[in-house]
Amino acid sequence: SAVISQKPSRDICQRGTSLTIQCQVDSQVTMMFWYRQQPGQSLTLIATANQGSEATYESGFVIDKFPISRPNLTFSTLTVSNMSPEDSSIYLCSGQGSGGYTFGSGTRLTVV
Amino acid sequence: QQQVKQSPQSLIVQKGGISIINCAYENTAFDYFPWYQQFPGKGPALLIAIRPDVSEKKEGRFTISFNKSAKQFSLHIMDSQPGDSATYFCAASSKTSYDKVIFGPGTSLSVIP
Repeated sequence: SAVISQKPSRDICQRGTSLTIQCQVDSQVTMMFWYRQQPGQSLTLIATANQGSEATYESGFVIDKFPISRPNLTFSTLTVSNMSPEDSSIYLCSGQGSGGYTFGSGTRLTVV
Repeated sequence: QQQVKQSPQSLIVQKGGISIINCAYENTAFDYFPWYQQFPGKGPALLIAIRPDVSEKKEGRFTISFNKSAKQFSLHIMDSQPGDSATYFCAASSKTSYDKVIFGPGTSLSVIP
């Protein structure tokens, strides 16, 4: 299975600022996915990122708030823009490899 | 996005017992059904997965049972151990939806000695 390195693992940010989360995959994956997970809850899909095309966002999520970069088949970034305390959550990336979908270890974001 | 239902929300099982988690889906286009295990502070890890052309898949102590007509599937953990204590998510995806994985709400499993 693909191994995904995600960073930062956690951060505390001031409201109104932006944070960029990076995911590096050890092999090429066609699709990458970004999720949000509130503590103790399930994962909610934010968007699907395919190389060379604009990301596809789920209902309730917009590109201006969560811009995504997918420059190649092993890397993607998610930016959380103009943050508010409501954006405090765990953000995870995922990629589909030969062994199924694997996940990064997550970024725990706290907005103060 | 709630297209996958999961029960129970929490489960307490004695060591050595069988843990059973049930899921149901609505979208008949789903063609891949994975189960994930998540420990606190970690990302979900793929446990076992099944496609709808088989009714059962077993890997070690973990078995998925799949009922296509009822649109239901379940995870059985045999000989449950304290190390199995984690949150379990059933999920589903479809090639017609770019393979995006939709998660159930999760089950918190505690295996007590």
